[in-house]
Amino acid sequence: DAGVIQSPRHEVTEMGQEVTLRCKPISGHDYLFWYRQTMMRGLELLIYFNNNVPIDDSGMPEDRFSAKMPNASFSTLKIQPSEPRDSAVYFCASSLTLGEAFFGQGTRLTVV
Amino acid sequence: SQELEQSPQSLIVQEGKNLTINCTSSKTLYGLYWYKQKYGEGLIFLMMLQKGGEEKSHEKITAKLDEKKQQSSLHITASQPSHAGIYLCGADRSNFGNEKLTFGTGTRLTIIP
Repeated sequence: DAGVIQSPRHEVTEMGQEVTLRCKPISGHDYLFWYRQTMMRGLELLIYFNNNVPIDDSGMPEDRFSAKMPNASFSTLKIQPSEPRDSAVYFCASSLTLGEAFFGQGTRLTVV
Repeated sequence: SQELEQSPQSLIVQEGKNLTINCTSSKTLYGLYWYKQKYGEGLIFLMMLQKGGEEKSHEKITAKLDEKKQQSSLHITASQPSHAGIYLCGADRSNFGNEKLTFGTGTRLTIIP
């Protein structure tokens, strides 16, 4: 397996535009997590799914953020409209029921 | 306030020296995970500790869990340039497994020749 795959690796967009980040988890993993990492706040959990169902989205900062997992092999994190303070590295991770989480390489988002 | 506090926040160590990074939780720990991150890359799993008093080693890295103190330490022996990076501890907030990891603030380790 190629591991968790995220796209794009880098995204630069203008304030107000819609941004969609994509993630392909490791096949067979039941859990999928979206994290955001900034210098100020460190690594924060935004939302996680179990068997494609959102379990906890309490970390999603505001209604501008939404995440979906239409099937076991794909998830998206959307920001609409984007703002400069959304600039961060967004990580997707997946895991089995027990054990360590495997992280993707991240998407570096810059909103200008 | 952060649930997981790591200390120190940054560490500069001469190659070959030993070092320790600490992770302290303000809440009950059901599991403690250590990850390493290199700049611009994703996190790499190092090890998981689940029981009080548990100690695990991987190459020159040893981690211990003190459940009573709600604290874990990561010790690197004879540090090498390849050990440089950011070390993060993650805590399991459920007793069912790795359902929702929250992470510490991170420790940035620099190894100088």
